[in-house]
Amino acid sequence: KNEVEQSPQNLTAQEGEFITINCSYSVGISALHWLQQHPGGGIVSLFMLSSGKKKHGRLIATINIQEKHSSLHITASHPRDSAVYICAVKRSQGNLIFGKGTKLSVKP
Amino acid sequence: KAGVTQTPRYLIKTRGQQVTLSCSPISGHRSVSWYQQTPGQGLQFLFEYFSETQRNKGNFPGRFSGRQFSNSRSEMNVSTLELGDSALYLCASSPLAGGPGDTQYFGPGTRLTVL
Repeated sequence: KNEVEQSPQNLTAQEGEFITINCSYSVGISALHWLQQHPGGGIVSLFMLSSGKKKHGRLIATINIQEKHSSLHITASHPRDSAVYICAVKRSQGNLIFGKGTKLSVKP
Repeated sequence: KAGVTQTPRYLIKTRGQQVTLSCSPISGHRSVSWYQQTPGQGLQFLFEYFSETQRNKGNFPGRFSGRQFSNSRSEMNVSTLELGDSALYLCASSPLAGGPGDTQYFGPGTRLTVL
């Protein structure tokens, strides 16, 4: 079993829909990151969380440390949100471990 | 500030050769991490350097090595290339020593193809 599991693997939405991507992990962590990767490979860090909730524009990320679970929400989705969203956890002593990613496609 | 730069962007090698990839971090950043991304395994951590010292190493064979210079620029080397080494190699820099609150800034990657 992977230490970081994301669901769903693939997600297709209509423009304007509310989207949720989930991430569960099984190791002790000091922080959790949400990353966005567009076709072509470039990765952008969206959020770094160690507790609670963060919001940036239409993006909201939450984390529940007790349940070892995080969610990334996108409100009023837009075709430009189409990308792969990757959850990564920073182990208490060491490096980042990545989920397999969620491929999001938003149709106009 | 200029972002993280990686050179070359694309590389084609044959089995058995060796390759060196370069990463220049954002000015002032002292930590550099390397990652391998393949369709099958996704993103995997290779190693992390801070102030010329390797702080962490992922679960990769000894054919994969790296170093960091005094100006924080980093190189990674893969010797005796195998077909399975074909991947996108990403470098990321961060200002501090990779602490939990440290955001990483990723470069565009080097796409390596081994024939």
